[in-house]
Amino acid sequence: GQNIDQPTEMTATEGAIVQINCTYQTSGFNGLFWYQQHAGEAPTFLSYNVLDGLEEKGRFSSFLSRSKGYSYLLLKELQMKDSASYLCAVRDWGYGGATNKLIFGTGTLLAVQP
Amino acid sequence: SAVISQKPSRDICQRGTSLTIQCQVDSQVTMMFWYRQQPGQSLTLIATANQGSEATYESGFVIDKFPISRPNLTFSTLTVSNMSPEDSSIYLCSVDPGGINEQFFGPGTRLTVL
Repeated sequence: GQNIDQPTEMTATEGAIVQINCTYQTSGFNGLFWYQQHAGEAPTFLSYNVLDGLEEKGRFSSFLSRSKGYSYLLLKELQMKDSASYLCAVRDWGYGGATNKLIFGTGTLLAVQP
Repeated sequence: SAVISQKPSRDICQRGTSLTIQCQVDSQVTMMFWYRQQPGQSLTLIATANQGSEATYESGFVIDKFPISRPNLTFSTLTVSNMSPEDSSIYLCSVDPGGINEQFFGPGTRLTVL
């Protein structure tokens, strides 16, 4: 089966650093994605990991450990505009490698306070 | 990248009726997906709609309730049939252009069923 867990809500202070964790169990792992979604908007792509380790992109970094089924998204120098939902998603090969479907976690609502 | 539009952007419908949602992509893509996002929740995959094959539905979703068409590489429709208030949700289409590790999302269709 498939199971992807994230904390439901987090609160952090402007200028600080926050780490959002994601644990997963899937049958056909083919990469892990992080998306940002502001209220009323479509998800937008933040990062992709398929190999173990840290991927850094500006203020955002994402880490993956395939053996542990674990990822985190690290947001540095938080800004008020970073208040949003952060969605962890695992790409699943599906049966016979026929699909590239994304299975989303529960999402983490981040509130950045002054 | 891929730019995706959806029609309608929102609708209010009566119980027992059906609504067809259109998804148009500005480039040819094989892999297309339909998601549902209920209020305050994360995204749930309804089905994979690859051009040239029948749609593949996830557990809990059936073709009679959510028929999908995929007539070409740039267009798809999702119909929500015999609607009930529980179908009130945002419906999003997404595409995987292939060759890049990113999936793109449409702006969503906000459906309210009375």
